[in-house]
Amino acid sequence: QVQLEQSGAEVKKPGASVKVSCKASGYSFSTYRISWVRQAPGQGLEWMGWISAYNGNTNYAQKLQGRVTMTTDTSTSTAYMELRSLRSDDTAVYYCARDSSGWEQFFDYWGQGTLVTVSS
Amino acid sequence: DIQMTQSPSSLSASVGDRVTITCQASQDISNYLNWYQQKPGKAPKLLIYDASNLATGVPSRFSGSGSGTDFTFTISSLQPEDIATYYCQQYDRLFRTFGQGTKLEIK
Repeated sequence: QVQLEQSGAEVKKPGASVKVSCKASGYSFSTYRISWVRQAPGQGLEWMGWISAYNGNTNYAQKLQGRVTMTTDTSTSTAYMELRSLRSDDTAVYYCARDSSGWEQFFDYWGQGTLVTVSS
Repeated sequence: DIQMTQSPSSLSASVGDRVTITCQASQDISNYLNWYQQKPGKAPKLLIYDASNLATGVPSRFSGSGSGTDFTFTISSLQPEDIATYYCQQYDRLFRTFGQGTKLEIK
């Protein structure tokens, strides 16, 4: 069965960086994209960007351009999301999601979420 | 950027009621519109893709319709386990955008 297993919770200080991992299993990793979605406490869902596990192509939400980097390691079927220059409003649960890149595009499997807390 | 306006932001209904949520896109998105359900403390779950297609294993009381800029999500007969927040989400070749969500409560 398809599973996305994320790394554990993080506490960071303002200005620091965080790197969250998402290990995929149960499907051919290279045939899908991975999107990252975050959710601030009590707020809605915000799409951050996607990475193609096939060729490493990325596309980021304009709001996060310059602060976010998404990568993959196909040898371990793991995707990573690094966010730099953290601010208090980056405090959120960060989800990875399998993102199909065919004619029909949706997030059909999700990780369990990683809470990132930014606090001095 | 394409903006998604979802309404209402919250909704209270009784078990057995028909519930409708709407989502409006800031420009024509054809049928590139998905719906998700999120329960507290859990990851979202795909319910409807491409505006009207039921995802695998999703009960038939859930349905979606619409194209262009105006979309509707319907629960035909509300069940207690449907209490959640619902999100629409559009996609194009490069970007995805979520609506702001509709919190559904039992009256």
